Amino acid sequence: EVQVVESGGGVVQPGGSLRLSCAASGFNFRSYWMTWVRQAPGKGLEWVADINQGGSETHYVDSVKGRFTVSRDNTKNSLFLQMNSLRADDTAVYHCVRGAYQSDYWGQGTLVTVSS
Amino acid sequence: DIQVTQSPSSLSASVGDRVTITCRASQDIVNHLAWFQQRPGKAPKSLIYAESALHSGVPSRFSGSRSGTEFTLTISNLQPEDFATYYCQQCDSYPRTFGPGTKVDVK
Repeated sequence: EVQVVESGGGVVQPGGSLRLSCAASGFNFRSYWMTWVRQAPGKGLEWVADINQGGSETHYVDSVKGRFTVSRDNTKNSLFLQMNSLRADDTAVYHCVRGAYQSDYWGQGTLVTVSS
Repeated sequence: DIQVTQSPSSLSASVGDRVTITCRASQDIVNHLAWFQQRPGKAPKSLIYAESALHSGVPSRFSGSRSGTEFTLTISNLQPEDFATYYCQQCDSYPRTFGPGTKVDVK
């Protein structure tokens, strides 16, 4: 069974950092692009970043460029999102998604709250 | 960036109805459009990719089509589990923008 499970969310002060993880199982992780999508409370979906199979190609939404870094460890079937200089408008549930163009499986998400 | 709009923003329907949701991109995205369903309090679920291809396990009452830069999600014979919010996303260029969503609720 394909599963992606996020962790690492929590409450952080503005300007702080957080590292999200996504544990993948049930599929050949190293063969898939992976994506992060977020959803602010009561709002719609926002694409955040994606990464290719080997980790050599990444893309970001403008609002997180220079602050967030997506990476992966194919030996551990894991995807990461390092978030620095966090702002109040980064508050959201962050979902890990298998695929990029043909994204299919979504995790339940992990909540990040940026507040003083 | 490619802008993606959806209409209507919400609609009310009954079980058994045929429902159509429209998504429009600000420029040509060929057929690079996906549809997602999100039930309240749940993670999104992928329905359709490449305009009209159904993901595995998605019921055949869901279908997607295109006319130029206008895309349509059709749900025929609406079922109780279909009351949800639907999002489209363009997958043609970065950033991969989502539409604002269409909420389908009970009439």
